[in-house]
Amino acid sequence: KAGVTQTPRYLIKTRGQQVTLSCSPISGHRSVSWYQQTPGQGLQFLFEYFSETQRNKGNFPGRFSGRQFSNSRSEMNVSTLELGDSALYLCASSGQGQQETQYFGPGTRLLVL
Amino acid sequence: GENVEQHPSTLSVQEGDSAVIKCTYSDSASNYFPWYKQELGKRPQLIIDIRSNVGEKKDQRIAVTLNKTAKHFSLHITETQPEDSAVYFCAASDGTDKLIFGTGTRLQVFP
Repeated sequence: KAGVTQTPRYLIKTRGQQVTLSCSPISGHRSVSWYQQTPGQGLQFLFEYFSETQRNKGNFPGRFSGRQFSNSRSEMNVSTLELGDSALYLCASSGQGQQETQYFGPGTRLLVL
Repeated sequence: GENVEQHPSTLSVQEGDSAVIKCTYSDSASNYFPWYKQELGKRPQLIIDIRSNVGEKKDQRIAVTLNKTAKHFSLHITETQPEDSAVYFCAASDGTDKLIFGTGTRLQVFP
């Protein structure tokens, strides 16, 4: 099976802009989770989608949003970008949820100038 | 909500020695505890996990122990090798489909 893929891999934006990141899960996986990774902060949970519904959400402001399509592909959107949003954004997929192996994508590295 | 603390943040060991990484969690309802390894420039990968109905689990040189009473769990790596060098993350989940990660431990194994 093909692994989890994320596009784009790298992105440079300026403050105030918005960005959309995409994640294609492993075929057959219905759960997609998003994480923000920054040095010293580890992996911070953004949200999890299952069957097109947001099942859980982390402690991020409303500027961070996401959605999932009927084919389980997921997108996350960050509006009004801030310098502090610079990070590696990882998505992970699993069959049913977060209590089983999470298969991570390669990540999208976002730099906000 | 769940909070996971991980120590130490960095750990250096000589090849062949053992390494231990410890995590504590706050939510007594947490029942699933995975460990992920992230090599430099690569994506995190699951190396071992344990559920709350088990006190210890081993897989070759890697073991995880869980103390539910004290709300802490540990990763043990024996006979460390240079390829064990990576960042290790612990995590906890309370079954509400929110997996909370620790801040990571950078393990360096010197030959």
